[in-house]
Amino acid sequence: GEDVEQSLFLSVREGDSSVINCTYTDSSSTYLYWYKQEPGAGLQLLTYIFSNMDMKQDQRLTVLLNKKDKHLSLRIADTQTGDSAIYFCAESISGGYNKLIFGAGTRLAVHP
Amino acid sequence: GAVVSQHPSWVICKSGTSVKIECRSLDFQATTMFWYRQFPKKSLMLMATSNEGSKATYEQGVEKDKFLINHASLTLSTLTVTSAHPEDSSFYICSTIPITGGQETQYFGPGTRLLVL
Repeated sequence: GEDVEQSLFLSVREGDSSVINCTYTDSSSTYLYWYKQEPGAGLQLLTYIFSNMDMKQDQRLTVLLNKKDKHLSLRIADTQTGDSAIYFCAESISGGYNKLIFGAGTRLAVHP
Repeated sequence: GAVVSQHPSWVICKSGTSVKIECRSLDFQATTMFWYRQFPKKSLMLMATSNEGSKATYEQGVEKDKFLINHASLTLSTLTVTSAHPEDSSFYICSTIPITGGQETQYFGPGTRLLVL
């Protein structure tokens, strides 16, 4: 079945780059997403990448997709304390209705 | 960006009572809405897909008689947790796809925290 895996925790120093990794199983995924969740809040769509792309950059965010290895990463440049949150990787699976399968989330802690 | 609201934001109820959670798209219409459940420190699990004017499609293992979904209009979907029990305590989140949006656009509500005593 479909599965999305992420490491659970990442700690970085303010100003450094953060790299959050994700692996997925469904090779037919059309889109892959990164969402951010702050404590007690819903999910905020950060960025997404179409499966025929291998990179997408959006200001401080860079998404890399290795379709062969089914590996997705999110790089946050110049990480700030406001970036502390849980980051979810998600894949859309075939079959209609844009059904999303989420990873367990990576908790990013940014320290001075 | 698109705004999705949920009401209430949190609710505490006694075991055996029913709780209704509303999900509204505020500035767009949505034919499809999704309901997710999130356990503490866990991922979101899709419960059901709700389509305006038709019956919801439930994921495997989700009891349709327990979690009643109504999608009465293009801007409102409701989830009713019937005869709630402590194990139903969770964070419930809805998401929507705008009618005019592409497959990639899915907007999430802020979530409703349910605590059943």
